[in-house]
Amino acid sequence: GESVGLHLPTLSVQEGDNSIINCAYSNSASDYFIWYKQESGKGPQFIIDIRSNMDKRQGQRVTVLLNKTVKHLSLQIAATQPGDSAVYFCASREDTGRRALTFGSGTRLQVQP
Amino acid sequence: DTGVSQNPRHKITKRGQNVTFRCDPISEHNRLYWYRQTLGQGPEFLTYFQNEAQLEKSRLLSDRFSAERPKGSFSTLEIQRTEQGDSAMYLCASSLTGATEAFFGQGTRLTVV
Repeated sequence: GESVGLHLPTLSVQEGDNSIINCAYSNSASDYFIWYKQESGKGPQFIIDIRSNMDKRQGQRVTVLLNKTVKHLSLQIAATQPGDSAVYFCASREDTGRRALTFGSGTRLQVQP
Repeated sequence: DTGVSQNPRHKITKRGQNVTFRCDPISEHNRLYWYRQTLGQGPEFLTYFQNEAQLEKSRLLSDRFSAERPKGSFSTLEIQRTEQGDSAMYLCASSLTGATEAFFGQGTRLTVV
């Protein structure tokens, strides 16, 4: 079955630094990828998404990179702020018409002031 | 508040009791999803509705679980004869047909004692 995993359970960065959160997926049929941010006690919050026909997409302070060859995607956060502290999940969806997202186990980002 | 609304936010129940959760999606969102999240893990897909039709069900959705969306608006998730392993955060999300990202509610945290 499909699995989506994250390399590091916890990432600690200094305020103002750039953060990079990595994610690997195993299902070649995945054609859509999405990053969510989840703060304690809250539901996941959409950050940015990317389709498999792209390799890079930028948002406000965030960039997602997709490498389909090695089935890897990353989330880059520029000028990390204390408010960015949260757990970040990558998720993927198959190109089979199914709507279900498969989530990874999450990376906790801790921003040190 | 125009976001996804879930009630109750917290539920403590005794093992063997039935519980029901409600989800009110974002207005005009015709797709609705239920996920379950245990501590330290990413959300796991349970089921998906398009309007009132339940189109996908995960193998995680045992016979004790039932979800409905009778009028294509709000949805309910019922768990019968709860077990301690049912303790988790139950998340609801909604999206528009043709849109990619799903928006999550704050979740209902279930504790079975």
